[in-house]
Formats: sequence, structure tokens, C-alpha cells
Amino acid sequence: NAGVTQTPKFRVLKTGQSMTLLCAQDMNHEYMYWYRQDPGMGLRLIHYSVGEGTTAKGEVPDGYNVSRLKKQNFLLGLESAAPSQTSVYFCASSQRDRNTEAFFGQGTRLTVV
Amino acid sequence: AQRVTQPEKLLSVFKGAPVELKCNYSYSGSPELFWYVQYSRQRLQLLLRHISRESIKGFTADLNKGETSFHLKKPFAQEEDSAMYYCALSERQTGANNLFFGTGTRLTVIP
Repeated sequence: NAGVTQTPKFRVLKTGQSMTLLCAQDMNHEYMYWYRQDPGMGLRLIHYSVGEGTTAKGEVPDGYNVSRLKKQNFLLGLESAAPSQTSVYFCASSQRDRNTEAFFGQGTRLTVV
Repeated sequence: AQRVTQPEKLLSVFKGAPVELKCNYSYSGSPELFWYVQYSRQRLQLLLRHISRESIKGFTADLNKGETSFHLKKPFAQEEDSAMYYCALSERQTGANNLFFGTGTRLTVIP
């Protein structure tokens, strides 16, 4: 019963490098999300997807791109990492229904130096 | 726009004492409100949602539309309640169940 799995768990990048964070869910959920968690700021929505092949911007999308080529996967890309992107990234998924529970991954701690 | 406010970053209570974690929201429509909890070294998980009117692990939360609040309460705190608590509001008008989180309250229950 994996739920939502994020890869990798930790990563250190140099400024200007690129990377992709992978999120996989095995619950057949339609909706998927990427959040970042920063001290004193809670979780903020980066991008989200309401289905395979669709993506949309959240609160803080600048500097990130996403893709949802398969229903179970949601990729978050950083094209040119900046120190301001040092954060803990969480992926989540949910069903379509109102008031439904969101299931979260274990998080990816990213440091950009 | 600040949709969810949790005024306390840190809250410490003694075991057996009552707990109240405050949450206020701003939203023009009919809000969908949740409390999520993150225990040490565990992933964020749902604690309860306002629509269910349920009590989970002794916690309850009542939606007060007049005061735009959704405070989390427990009459007798336990050590295992120590965790980070997030109040969240879901906005359907964005086309998904996007959650907007408060900044969180770290609860410490002192033995």
C-alpha cells in the first residue's frame, strides 16, 4: 500500500542546475498537486493537475514546470535552480469529490547552494 | 490573499490540559475546511474535516461562519498529540480540490 511516493527524498543542487522530482500514486486519483513548505509560511501550491495531460498554475509557479503524461505520475521540474527554491517539496493526490482527503508523499528536501 | 490564519506558531500545554488551536479563514463562498497533522518523521495526514462533524483522536472542530473560525479542540491533551497542525481551506472554483494552508501551529504536550 504505497500511496504517494516521491523521488528523491533529499537532493543538493548548485545554482543553475536542473532537476526533476517524481511523484507517483497508486490510488487512481484524478487530481495531483505539488506544494512547497517553507518555515513560517506553511504549504503553498506550486502547480496542480486535474487529469492526465492537464496542468495548471498554483500560488507560486515561477521557476517550476510540471508534466502529467500518465495518470499516476506528476513530475516537477526546476530548469535553473536558485537558492530561493531551497525548500521541502510535497506531492499530494486526491479524488474529484468535494471535501475529499488529500494524500501526501513523504516530502523531498531540496537545498540549492 | 491570506485565506487561512493560524495566529499561534507554538503552543505548549501540560498533559491532561485542554487544547485549542485557532484557525480563522477568509472566503466568500461556502468553505470546505480541514485540519491536517504532521507527526514527527511522518507524512502530512488528514485529521478531520468540517463536513464530517466527527471526533478523531478526541479532537473536534466546529465551523463558525459568523466568526469565520474553525478552531481545533481537545479536552484532555496527550503526549502523542505533540505535532505540527495545519488548518486548510479547499477552493473548488479553481477546478480542483486545491488546499490553502495556514502557517501551522506546533503543539507540544508536556508530560
